[in-house]
Amino acid sequence: GENVEQHPSTLSVQEGDSAVIKCTYSDSASNYFPWYKQELGKRPQLIIDIRSNVGEKKDQRIAVTLNKTAKHFSLHITETQPEDSAVYFCAASRNTGTASKLTFGTGTRLQVTL
Amino acid sequence: GAGVSQSPSNKVTEKGKDVELRCDPISGHTALYWYRQRLGQGLEFLIYFQGNSAPDKSGLPSDRFSAERTGESVSTLTIQRTQQEDSAVYLCASTPASAVYGYTFGSGTRLTVV
Repeated sequence: GENVEQHPSTLSVQEGDSAVIKCTYSDSASNYFPWYKQELGKRPQLIIDIRSNVGEKKDQRIAVTLNKTAKHFSLHITETQPEDSAVYFCAASRNTGTASKLTFGTGTRLQVTL
Repeated sequence: GAGVSQSPSNKVTEKGKDVELRCDPISGHTALYWYRQRLGQGLEFLIYFQGNSAPDKSGLPSDRFSAERTGESVSTLTIQRTQQEDSAVYLCASTPASAVYGYTFGSGTRLTVV
């Protein structure tokens, strides 16, 4: 089955700096890669996703890049703000037109300091 | 309903007792997923339903865990003879039939086994 590894486990950046979180996956047939943000005591919420037919996707301060050959994808947050502090999870799935499970990484705790 | 609804939000039970956790998916979402999140950990897949059948139940940790779903609606996750290691937040998510895109999580049930 799919295995997703995520690094780093913790990340501290100063407000205004950029943050990068990296994930690798094992199943070359995986074709859908979402990122979730989970604030303390809250449910995970989808912040951005990418499908395997594109290499990069951007939404305001958040971008995701995908390298299918190397089987890794990354989340980039620019101009970080204190409200970006949370745990971020990457995930991967093989979407074949019917529902299938997401396999999650172990999470990255991002702390944005003033 | 408007979102994925889970009940109870919190459950404290004595070791050895059985518990039932309930998930109401978004109306019209035929796929439903259960995940477990231990304190400070990632999301661990348990089982998913397509309609009322379970194509993948590979994540159920032991035969003490079972789940069922009535039609394309409510699902219950049952844990028999609870153990302390079952303490976690149990999250439910749902998606439309055709894809895994757009996972929407419920708020979860926090289970504490004492």
